[in-house]
Amino acid sequence: KNEVEQSPQNLTAQEGEFITINCSYSVGISALHWLQQHPGGGIVSLFMLSSGKKKHGRLIATINIQEKHSSLHITASHPRDSAVYICAVRSGNQFYFGTGTSLTVIP
Amino acid sequence: DVKVTQSSRYLVKRTGEKVFLECVQDMDHENMFWYRQDPGLGLRLIYFSYDVKMKEKGDIPEGYSVSREKKERFSLILESASTNQTSMYLCASTTGGVYEQYFGPGTRLTVT
Repeated sequence: KNEVEQSPQNLTAQEGEFITINCSYSVGISALHWLQQHPGGGIVSLFMLSSGKKKHGRLIATINIQEKHSSLHITASHPRDSAVYICAVRSGNQFYFGTGTSLTVIP
Repeated sequence: DVKVTQSSRYLVKRTGEKVFLECVQDMDHENMFWYRQDPGLGLRLIYFSYDVKMKEKGDIPEGYSVSREKKERFSLILESASTNQTSMYLCASTTGGVYEQYFGPGTRLTVT
């Protein structure tokens, strides 16, 4: 059972490109999180959303509660954005995770 | 800043050994979680705890146990390590309600 589905699984982009990563979920949620994990590194939280849209620097996250869908956008991508991006949803005391999108940005 | 620390970044153990992984958080969070992360499978919940001495099984508790004697500390125990428990183990904590989950740096465990 996959409560959270992400696409694409892998993504390669040229520096400067606009990037979109998608997340769909099937459970009722109180919040959706976008996480970033660099190779060998821990996981950091980028956004927590329960409605609408949030922006932080070149990163934008949106959520459509009715459609149970969220997107993470990266504008003017840079090689340092290369990482795995994970979508997670909170349902009660439980968190459900997507399998991640591995992003590589080529200079 | 919330800090979640884990006792080791890298650990190598032999099959059959008892293994302890410790996680400590410094923000008085009620909820603590242990996950394992494997390529292609994402994060899977092993156990979580929403209060001292309280624990709940996650999706893959077999072969693991946990202990939470103090609010800030959540330990994961592999009673008899096996090679299929080779993985990255991540601890996380959060307050109750709709708040962020904070992750530790992870422990990469290899069982030979």
